[in-house]
Amino acid sequence: DSGVTQTPKHLITATGQRVTLRCSPRSGDLSVYWYQQSLDQGLQFLIHYYNGEERAKGNILERFSAQQFPDLHSELNLSSLELGDSALYFCASSAGQGALGYTFGSGTRLTVV
Amino acid sequence: AQSVTQLDSQVPVFEEAPVELRCNYSSSVSVYLFWYVQYPNQGLQLLLKYLSGSTLVKGINGFEAEFNKSQTSFHLRKPSVHISDTAEYFCAVRPLDSSYKLIFGSGTRLLVRP
Repeated sequence: DSGVTQTPKHLITATGQRVTLRCSPRSGDLSVYWYQQSLDQGLQFLIHYYNGEERAKGNILERFSAQQFPDLHSELNLSSLELGDSALYFCASSAGQGALGYTFGSGTRLTVV
Repeated sequence: AQSVTQLDSQVPVFEEAPVELRCNYSSSVSVYLFWYVQYPNQGLQLLLKYLSGSTLVKGINGFEAEFNKSQTSFHLRKPSVHISDTAEYFCAVRPLDSSYKLIFGSGTRLLVRP
C-alpha cells in the first residue's frame, strides 16, 4: 500500500457520460497530480494541485476538470466521454516540490463503451 | 521543453544475467531524475532518484543508475536479474521549474526468462 488511495479501481461507462475519479493523497502530502496512461500516448501529465490551488496544466482536455478540496483529496471529472478516453488514470502525491519522489496510487481503469 | 527517450521498448534477458535499460533526456533547465517500475495491474513504484551529488545512485531491489550530464543519460542497471523483475520500467524527469510535474519516457518492458 503506497498510501495514495484511488477509487474506484475499475469503471465501465457509456460514451457521452460523466464520471468522477477520486484520490486521497498520502498523509502529509500537499501536492496531487493526475496522469493518464494509455497504450498509444503513454503516461501523460494532466494537472497538478498544491494545497487546493491549481499549479500546472498538462495535456488535459476541456471536457476534463479537477479540483482539490480542503481535506486535500482530489477529484478528476471526465465528461462527454469518448471511446478514446479509455485509459488508466493515476493519481500521485508529493510533500512539496517532489524532490523526494512522487507516490502513485494503484490507478482507476476507465473503460468507455 | 523537456523530453525523455527510452529507446528500447522491450528488453529480453535470461535470469541471473546483467541488464541495462537506457534513458536519455532533453531539457533546457536542470532536472531531477527518477526511475519507476510498474508491475502488472499495479501503480508505479519509485526505484531510485538522482537529485544532486554522486552520479551513481542505488535504489531498491538491487538496481542502480548513473547520471551522465554530458550525455544527458540516466541508464538503469542490475548485475543479476530475477524472474520477479519482469515489469515495465519508466524513466522520468522533473524539471527544476515552477511546474513540479514529472515527464515520463515511453517505458521499457523487461522480460526475464528462466
